[in-house]
Amino acid sequence: AQSVAQPEDQVNVAEGNPLTVKCTYSVSGNPYLFWYVQYPNRGLQFLLKYITGDNLVKGSYGFEAEFNKSQTSFHLKKPSALVSDSALYFCAVRDLNTGGFKTIFGAGTRLFVKA
Amino acid sequence: SAVISQKPSRDICQRGTSLTIQCQVDSQVTMMFWYRQQPGQSLTLIATANQGSEATYESGFVIDKFPISRPNLTFSTLTVSNMSPEDSSIYLCSVTDSFQETQYFGPGTRLLVL
Repeated sequence: AQSVAQPEDQVNVAEGNPLTVKCTYSVSGNPYLFWYVQYPNRGLQFLLKYITGDNLVKGSYGFEAEFNKSQTSFHLKKPSALVSDSALYFCAVRDLNTGGFKTIFGAGTRLFVKA
Repeated sequence: SAVISQKPSRDICQRGTSLTIQCQVDSQVTMMFWYRQQPGQSLTLIATANQGSEATYESGFVIDKFPISRPNLTFSTLTVSNMSPEDSSIYLCSVTDSFQETQYFGPGTRLLVL
C-alpha cells in the first residue's frame, strides 16, 4: 500500500534563510510525487510534481524539490524563505502501478517564517 | 490548470439535516474527486466521481451517507446526509488535469454541524 510521511508537524525558519520541508514515501511501483500548499481559509494550491526525468524539479514561488529514489524522499526546498511562505504544506504520492488515480496525502507540515 | 468553484463556501447546519455541496469546473474533466479535511488533519479521499457511472467510495465512506451526483463533465455534487458534529470538516472538490497527472482543488466548503 502507498503511504507518505511528513515527519515534522512544524518548521520554523527566519526570513532569508533556506527552508526544507521533509517528505518520505512508500510505494510498490513508480511514484508520482506532489507538493501542495494551503494558505489559511483557502483550498490546496499545486506547487510542483515529479513524474519522471530530472530528480530536481522546480515549481511555483521559487520552490523546488529533489526526488531521491534510494532514500524514498521528496523534500521541498527554497533557498531564501519569505514571511509570505508561511502556510501548511502537504506532500502527496500516487502509485502508478497499484494506486490508479488515488492520491495519498501526508499529514502536513506547518511552516512559520519569522521576519 | 482548471478553475474550480464550490458552493456554499461555508455553512452551519443542525444535526440530522443534510447539505448538498456543488462543484463547478471551467472545463470538461473525466475524473472528479471529493475529499474531506477534518480540523487540523490531512486530506482523506471520500470518493471518485466519473460522469455516467456510479461513484467509487473509499473504505469508511458509504453512498447512503455521502451520495454523489455527476450529471455532466463539468459539475458534481456531494451531499452530507443526516449530519452529526463529527461531519464538521472542510469538503474539497478536486479534478485531474488533461494528462491525468496533477490534481487541482476547489476552495473548499467549510461545514460546521451543531
